[in-house]
Amino acid sequence: AQSVSQHNHHVILSEAASLELGCNYSYGGTVNLFWYVQYPGQHLQLLLKYFSGDPLVKGIKGFEAEFIKSKFSFNLRKPSVQWSDTAEYFCAVNQGGKLIFGQGTELSVKP
Amino acid sequence: EPEVTQTPSHQVTQMGQEVILRCVPISNHLYFYWYRQILGQKVEFLVSFYNNEISEKSEIFDDQFSVERPDGSNFTLKIRSTKLEDSAMYFCASSMNRGPGNTIYFGEGSWLTVV
Repeated sequence: AQSVSQHNHHVILSEAASLELGCNYSYGGTVNLFWYVQYPGQHLQLLLKYFSGDPLVKGIKGFEAEFIKSKFSFNLRKPSVQWSDTAEYFCAVNQGGKLIFGQGTELSVKP
Repeated sequence: EPEVTQTPSHQVTQMGQEVILRCVPISNHLYFYWYRQILGQKVEFLVSFYNNEISEKSEIFDDQFSVERPDGSNFTLKIRSTKLEDSAMYFCASSMNRGPGNTIYFGEGSWLTVV
């Protein structure tokens, strides 16, 4: 079975700082990878996904993620965070049609 | 944008009581899911449902749990006799298909507190 690890449980940044959230997965074959975000009081929303092609994936709100197969990683990045990016971020892998999630990373952005 | 909607947003129930969590998936979606997140833990898959039957379930989804699509629009999760450890956020989700690149859309969650 696949597993997903997010090493940062809580990240605190100031506005305009750069962001990188780590995500590693266990499976060595073909993977579909996702980043979801959950803003306070809202549902899980898809930020971006990778399933083939260009390993650098661009998503909504200026986020991007890079799939590095050799490192089993799919780290999420944003060059300059805003206070409105405060949320919980979940990395996930598709295993047979269902999602396997990481533990989530809580991002707090100070104005 | 179409959304998955869930009710109630928060329910408090006594241990041993039955709970039904309701969901309205996106209307043209064919696959339906329940996930849960115990406070401080990962979001965990519970069950998937397709063509009016369970297609996959996790080891968490024991005989206390059941799902139903009673009327072609609602998708419900029933917990027959709640336990303290059932306290969690329960997310309903739906998707058009299951293939590569498929996106699963989530509801806002139903927070269940068992006392």
